Amino acid sequence: DVQMTQSPSSLSASVGDRVTITCRASQSIDSHLNWYQQKPGKAPNLLIYETSTLQSGVPSRFSGSGSGTTFTLTISSLRPEDSATYYCQQSSVKRTFGQGTKLETK
Amino acid sequence: EVQLVESGGNLVKPGGCLKLSCAASGFTVSSNYMSWVRQAPGKGLEWVAIIYNTGGKYYADSVKDRFTISRDNSENTLHLQMNSVRVEDTAIYYCARILVRGGGDWFDSWGQGTLVTVSS
Repeated sequence: DVQMTQSPSSLSASVGDRVTITCRASQSIDSHLNWYQQKPGKAPNLLIYETSTLQSGVPSRFSGSGSGTTFTLTISSLRPEDSATYYCQQSSVKRTFGQGTKLETK
Repeated sequence: EVQLVESGGNLVKPGGCLKLSCAASGFTVSSNYMSWVRQAPGKGLEWVAIIYNTGGKYYADSVKDRFTISRDNSENTLHLQMNSVRVEDTAIYYCARILVRGGGDWFDSWGQGTLVTVSS
C-alpha cells in the first residue's frame, strides 16, 4: 500500500505569513493527490484535487503543487480562519491519508 | 443538493457486530464511487473501504475480512457491515462520495459522521 507522510505534524504561524505543508508518498502517485481541511467537530472539506486544482469556493490563497512523490500545500497569506488540520490523500492505489498537519494561527 | 446522512453508530462489545447506513440524496449512489472513512478520537483520517459504480470493492488491511461495504440501490443508501469489532475500531465513521474526473478522483462530499464505540 502507498504510505503518505506529512510534515510538519503541527505548526504555528502569524496572520499574513506564507505557510507550506509537505506531503510525501512512498511510491509515485503521479498527480493523484488531494488536500482537505478539517476543523474541530466537523467533517473534512475538499480544498484541492489532482495536486493543484482548487475546489470551487476555496479562497485563492490556497494552492497546491508537486508530482510523483512530493507535494506541497501553500497558503500564501494566512488568515485566522485557516486554523485547522490539513490532510493529504492519494487516489492512485486504493486510498490513503497523510497523518495530518495541525495549523494554528498566532 | 448533495447530502449524506449516516446512522447506526452505537456502543458495541468487542467481537460484536454493527451495521452503519448512509442515506444519500441529490445523486445516485450506484452511479458513483462511494467510501467509508473513519477517525479515531483525537486521531487522523483513515480510509476504510470503497465500492465502485461497477460493484468492485476494496478494503483497508485493518478491516479486511471483518467489514463489508454494500449499497441498496432501491433506497439509495450505502452500508458498512462491521463484524468481529475491536476496541481499535472505535471512531467516527464518515461516508463520502468520490468524484471521478479525467483519471483522478477525490472525496467531494461527506456526511456528518456516526460514532462507533467498541468497549466491554
